[in-house]
Amino acid sequence: AQSVTQPDIHITVSEGASLELRCNYSYGATPYLFWYVQSPGQGLQLLLKYFSGDTLVQGIKGFEAEFKRSQSSFNLRKPSVHWSDAAEYFCAVGGTRSGGYQKVTFGTGTKLQVIP
Amino acid sequence: DAGVIQSPRHEVTEMGQEVTLRCKPISGHNSLFWYRQTMMRGLELLIYFNNNVPIDDSGMPEDRFSAKMPNASFSTLKIQPSEPRDSAVYFCASRTDRDRVDNEQFFGPGTRLTVL
Repeated sequence: AQSVTQPDIHITVSEGASLELRCNYSYGATPYLFWYVQSPGQGLQLLLKYFSGDTLVQGIKGFEAEFKRSQSSFNLRKPSVHWSDAAEYFCAVGGTRSGGYQKVTFGTGTKLQVIP
Repeated sequence: DAGVIQSPRHEVTEMGQEVTLRCKPISGHNSLFWYRQTMMRGLELLIYFNNNVPIDDSGMPEDRFSAKMPNASFSTLKIQPSEPRDSAVYFCASRTDRDRVDNEQFFGPGTRLTVL
């Protein structure tokens, strides 16, 4: 079965500092991978996705993620964090056929706090 | 487009009462998902509809939960009777095209349910 692990429940960074959020997945073949962001009181919004091709993926709001098959990882990065990036971030994996369709499984999330 | 619309945004009810959550997906989307988000379990898929037909309801916790999609523009999630452990944020999401797992899911703002 597919699964996602986000080892960091909570991360605090200073505004302007770089950011890396970790994501490890379990899946038997090449997965579809996603990062979503959830601002307080809002639904999830897609930041970026990977399903083939270049392993470095660019997303919205200046985020990028790198797919590393050897490490089963899909870490999210941003070179300079802004206060508005404070939110909860979810990694997700898809690709296993279940009940006739391909299911997406979400990680438990990493809450990002940005300090001045 | 107004995005995925959910109502109500907040619901407070007493144990044993019936609760109905509503969702209007994005026009033209043929897949609809109901998720539940809690601190303990993260984001869980409850049920998935494609072209108004329930495809995967393996995530529905028990018989107290039921979901319907009478047409392409409306879905309900009902809990009867409700229990305090049902307290959570319930999200509805929609997507185009059943088998394209790399297609983005668009999330509604969620309904925060509190069962006293």
